Amino acid sequence: EAGVVQSPRYKIIEKKQPVAFWCNPISGHNTLYWYLQNLGQGPELLIRYENEEAVDDSQLPKDRFSAERLKGVDSTLKIQPAELGDSAVYLCASSFDGPNTEAFFGQGTRLTVV
Amino acid sequence: ELKVEQNPLFLSMQEGKNYTIYCNYSTTSDRLYWYRQDPGKSLESLFVLLSNGAVKQEGRLMASLDTKARLSTLHITAAVHDLSATYFCAVDIHYGGSQGNLIFGKGTKLSVKP
Repeated sequence: EAGVVQSPRYKIIEKKQPVAFWCNPISGHNTLYWYLQNLGQGPELLIRYENEEAVDDSQLPKDRFSAERLKGVDSTLKIQPAELGDSAVYLCASSFDGPNTEAFFGQGTRLTVV
Repeated sequence: ELKVEQNPLFLSMQEGKNYTIYCNYSTTSDRLYWYRQDPGKSLESLFVLLSNGAVKQEGRLMASLDTKARLSTLHITAAVHDLSATYFCAVDIHYGGSQGNLIFGKGTKLSVKP
């Protein structure tokens, strides 16, 4: 069974440029998460979707970050414009919608803003 | 503000030795997860602990949860080099239903030396 697929794996951009990350969750998983992981830190939740609905986006910096999951499957996370401090790994995860389930993580996109 | 604190943050062990990683958290939760992360890789789920007194074992790793003390432990028995990785605990602050917002600790970087 394929896991959570993210692309690209690595991205280097200049500050003030836009960037987008893509995530394809595990088939049948209706809950999707985007996490941010800074170097040497644990992941921090940015946004959580249940199907198409963003049910928790309280930690998403909405001035420059946006996300969408139009058909309740794939998701895209965008940053516009990127800042130097956005350099981090962006992790996508997915899970079944049910009690006591666990999330499975993708390999992440490592973003470097120069 | 919920805090999840792991200690130690760095652990250098000799093969064959035993050690325990501690995870303290500052708010009520009945769901705690342990993940493993290898360098440049994603997070791999190790254990899901769902109730007070829960104990789970997989190979040389054993995890336990004391919700009254707000403490989880990850015990390593007779360490081997393959266990070298960073271990994260994460507390779920979303009650009921599917996994919600995981609050991660900073991780414990384990190095097992021959």
